Amino acid sequence: AQRVTQPEKLLSVFKGAPVELKCNYSYSGSPELFWYVQYSRQRLQLLLRHISRESIKGFTADLNKGETSFHLKKPFAQEEDSAMYYCALKETSGSRLTFGEGTQLTVNP
Amino acid sequence: DTGVSQDPRHKITKRGQNVTFRCDPISEHNRLYWYRQTLGQGPEFLTYFQNEAQLEKSRLLSDRFSAERPKGSFSTLEIQRTEQGDSAMYLCASSLSGDRVAFFGQGTRLTVV
Repeated sequence: AQRVTQPEKLLSVFKGAPVELKCNYSYSGSPELFWYVQYSRQRLQLLLRHISRESIKGFTADLNKGETSFHLKKPFAQEEDSAMYYCALKETSGSRLTFGEGTQLTVNP
Repeated sequence: DTGVSQDPRHKITKRGQNVTFRCDPISEHNRLYWYRQTLGQGPEFLTYFQNEAQLEKSRLLSDRFSAERPKGSFSTLEIQRTEQGDSAMYLCASSLSGDRVAFFGQGTRLTVV
């Protein structure tokens, strides 16, 4: 069965510092990977997906099939990046999303 | 707000009572999903519909849970004989079948006392 692991429940950085939120997955096929973000008092929303290969709000994520990872990175964190971040996987032929437990990112001034 | 809408936002119920939640998806979306999220965990898949057909159910969905989408538009999730372990945030999401991006509602927080 597929599984998504986010090893850090809490991550705290200072404004302007680089940030990396880790995500590892286990799945035997070719998954589709997503990062969802939930800002305080807001709904869960898509941040980015690996097939788009784009940068959103300065964040990027590269799918590394060899290491089965999809880490989220931003070179210079901003205070408004403080939020809960979830990594999620969708099977090639499936519809459900399998989420990790989430990482609470706090960017300090 | 033209996104996914869920009602009610909060529900407190006594153990043993039945509760029903409603989800209105984005109007052109033919897929609708239900997830459950407990404290400190990511959302867990419960079930999904394509139009009015319920195509997949998780083993998390016990016999006390039932979901419907009778006309392929809004959906309801009913929990019968609620237990304290049912306390959670229930999330609804919708998508187009050709697009794997799911849009989430704000959730219904259930507290069973």
